[in-house]
Amino acid sequence: DSGVTQTPKHLITATGQRVTLRCSPRSGDLSVYWYQQSLDQGLQFLIHYYNGEERAKGNILERFSAQQFPDLHSELNLSSLELGDSALYFCASSQGTGLAKNIQYFGAGTRLSVL
Amino acid sequence: AQKITQTQPGMFVQEKEAVTLDCTYDTSDPSYGLFWYKQPSSGEMIFLIYQGSYDQQNATEGRYSLNFQKARKSANLVISASQLGDSAMYFCAMREGRSAGGTSYGKLTFGQGTILTVHP
Repeated sequence: DSGVTQTPKHLITATGQRVTLRCSPRSGDLSVYWYQQSLDQGLQFLIHYYNGEERAKGNILERFSAQQFPDLHSELNLSSLELGDSALYFCASSQGTGLAKNIQYFGAGTRLSVL
Repeated sequence: AQKITQTQPGMFVQEKEAVTLDCTYDTSDPSYGLFWYKQPSSGEMIFLIYQGSYDQQNATEGRYSLNFQKARKSANLVISASQLGDSAMYFCAMREGRSAGGTSYGKLTFGQGTILTVHP
């Protein structure tokens, strides 16, 4: 168990809908990262928050947004869903942002299926 | 340009044998970290081992070791005494110390993965 909790584990929804994925980081970790894993794109970085502030954005669509709350949990909001958004979404957490030994520990992922 | 390359889509190994999974990387940043993760069929991503670019010695974690050859930009994962439970997808990943405009600091860039199958 990595200590990172993601809910829900599975999500099935229809095109055009909006969903929210939730992540609770490991105790003491200030950084939260979101990644998307799909068959065609592999594992792609979406966004990084550190202690409530957005630090970096990757290949995140404008239809997607995220935030990190004062209790450090994070939510990833996906709207106007398309079939191509079907993927496994991971949250990872780490202690800080420094390079040295800043291991990212991953949650079990949320598998999103858009029908 | 692809920053992390895993050239072996699939590998097979006999139980109790050692296996090496290849990973090459590309970066101009002198400060970076290299990571290996395991993804079993259940889907979770499990951290295995870390190597820093300034580390003098190869990293080891139990049956996992990282064969770090900086000049060749390779960071191969060696699994000794393979077990049936080692069957999984393995990802090599890199985090650079800085990037242009500082917009991707901290993110991991992953390779395409190698599926390892351990035969009894």
